Amino acid sequence: GENVEQHPSTLSVQEGDSAVIKCTYSDSASNYFPWYKQELGKRPQLIIDIRSNVGEKKDQRIAVTLNKTAKHFSLHITETQPEDSAVYFCAASKVYSGYALNFGKGTSLLVTP
Amino acid sequence: DTAVSQTPKYLVTQMGNDKSIKCEQNLGHDTMYWYKQDSKKFLKIMFSYNNKELIINETVPNRFSPKSPDKAHLNLHINSLELGDSAVYFCASSQAGTGQNTEAFFGQGTRLTVV
Repeated sequence: GENVEQHPSTLSVQEGDSAVIKCTYSDSASNYFPWYKQELGKRPQLIIDIRSNVGEKKDQRIAVTLNKTAKHFSLHITETQPEDSAVYFCAASKVYSGYALNFGKGTSLLVTP
Repeated sequence: DTAVSQTPKYLVTQMGNDKSIKCEQNLGHDTMYWYKQDSKKFLKIMFSYNNKELIINETVPNRFSPKSPDKAHLNLHINSLELGDSAVYFCASSQAGTGQNTEAFFGQGTRLTVV
């Protein structure tokens, strides 16, 4: 089955700095890569996603890059704010599994003022 | 309006009991899922289901069974509960069938505690 590795497991940055989270996946059939943000006690919520036919996608302060050949993708958050503090999960999925999400183990991001 | 709702939010029960968690989505999605989040916050797919196919993660014990009375509902039944079943269970849905917009929306979670 699909194996998604995510690093780092914890990340602490100062407000205004950038944060980068990296993931690798094993199944070359995976073609959809979302990133979810989960605040304490809340449900996971999608913040950005990318498909395998695209190399990069940006939405305001958040960007995701995908390298299909190397099977890795990254989340970049610029100008971090304290409200960005949360656990971030990367995931990989494919049509053959009904797009069920195989998650990485999560990155706990702390943004200090 | 809540897009994906699940009940109950909290469930405390004794070992050996049988329990169910209900999930409903009003997004008109064709695919629903159950995920388990353990005490280390790891999120793991348990099932994905549309009206044609049930895909089961091979690591899920057969004490767990999804039941779908209709396209908008996917309930989770758990038999003979064990201590290790304690976790937060999330229901989710997406429009996976078209392959166009596969964003998954999650319910608020059910915290199951087995004592």
